[in-house]
Amino acid sequence: DTAVSQTPKYLVTQMGNDKSIKCEQNLGHDTMYWYKQDSKKFLKIMFSYNNKELIINETVPNRFSPKSPDKAHLNLHINSLELGDSAVYFCASSQAGGSADTQYFGPGTRLTVL
Amino acid sequence: AQSVTQLGSHVSVSEGALVLLRCNYSSSVPPYLFWYVQYPNQGLQLLLKYTSAATLVKGINGFEAEFKKSETSFHLTKPSAHMSDAAEYFCAVSGGTNAGKSTFGDGTTLTVKP
Repeated sequence: DTAVSQTPKYLVTQMGNDKSIKCEQNLGHDTMYWYKQDSKKFLKIMFSYNNKELIINETVPNRFSPKSPDKAHLNLHINSLELGDSAVYFCASSQAGGSADTQYFGPGTRLTVL
Repeated sequence: AQSVTQLGSHVSVSEGALVLLRCNYSSSVPPYLFWYVQYPNQGLQLLLKYTSAATLVKGINGFEAEFKKSETSFHLTKPSAHMSDAAEYFCAVSGGTNAGKSTFGDGTTLTVKP
């Protein structure tokens, strides 16, 4: 009955590879997010989708491409992985994407690029 | 634009002592303010939030925070620290035209000594 789930939890790969991270929420929320947390634990938003529509697209390399097949899922595909992509990636969701909405976070995916 | 400053990247207290984690915000519109906690190897979870109702907000695990507009602050307190409070704490602000986009502070690591 996990509210926001991500797979995989750990991902170790070589530079130049392409990988995907999947996220699912069973809260019935309309809005989903991807965050990147670096080694200093700084948290930065990458993307936000509301009901499958891209709402927030921060300054992120276009090697990163989010895809939302339905409002319960938001996947993140990363092409040509670089060393600097190593981080923990968090998926989150909120009810309607409003300013007062609480965000519910997944457990994170730790990506290590060798 | 909105921003959050968390004063003190590391705070250490003894078990049973007062916990005070500082957060100052900058916002051109009435803000919504949040405190999230991140336990080791987990995602963030909401401790409490301010949404323009009562200025003193009570959260989970005995934490509370007071919104002070004159000081642009939203400091987090707990009267008596417990070992289980050791975690990373993030203050966040949202509101205005960037509805749904929360800007997070850099985090404060709380250590609790026995």
